[in-house]
Amino acid sequence: KQEVTQIPAALSVPEGENLVLNCSFTDSAIYNLQWFRQDPGKGLTSLLLIQSSQREQTSGRLNASLDKSSGRSTLYIAASQPGDSATYLCAVYRDDKIIFGKGTRLHILP
Amino acid sequence: DTAVSQTPKYLVTQMGNDKSIKCEQNLGHDTMYWYKQDSKKFLKIMFSYNNKELIINETVPNRFSPKSPDKAHLNLHINSLELGDSAVYFCASSQAGVGIEAFFGQGTRLTVV
Repeated sequence: KQEVTQIPAALSVPEGENLVLNCSFTDSAIYNLQWFRQDPGKGLTSLLLIQSSQREQTSGRLNASLDKSSGRSTLYIAASQPGDSATYLCAVYRDDKIIFGKGTRLHILP
Repeated sequence: DTAVSQTPKYLVTQMGNDKSIKCEQNLGHDTMYWYKQDSKKFLKIMFSYNNKELIINETVPNRFSPKSPDKAHLNLHINSLELGDSAVYFCASSQAGVGIEAFFGQGTRLTVV
């Protein structure tokens, strides 16, 4: 059974710092891995989608990596800003399911 | 145009009532999903439909009955609502295959009082 774990559950960092969010999954047979952000009381915003054959994707200050063999993905946020404060969710695609981690609540301190 | 749209956005109802949440996608995707996000913000899959056929039912109570009249719609009907059903419900759609992104609706916040 596929399980997705995100560590840490919560993170506070000063504005301007670079940071890394971690995601691990137990079954490496995935199609894609996707990172989302969710603001309080809001829906899901897709950040980056990494195909199973890819190792990383970049969008602006965000870089997501994927290592299928070790069952890990990281989301790197450069030069963090207060507007980056949100919950970040990792999700893996397998068969007919998209399985989510429990998220990391990120707080950027002004 | 909104890719995946859910209605209503908010729903407040009393225990014991029956309610429906509608979902429509205009992406031409074959697969649609319902997810429940509980008070701890954990998103858990409830159902998955592919071309109107039920693929996954993640041990959801029988009071929850999804209905897919066509592959662009997946509605969620809930009978005899309970306090524990209060949550945010997200609809999503995707197409099988590597690199195909799933799209999520904005969610329906259900409050049972």
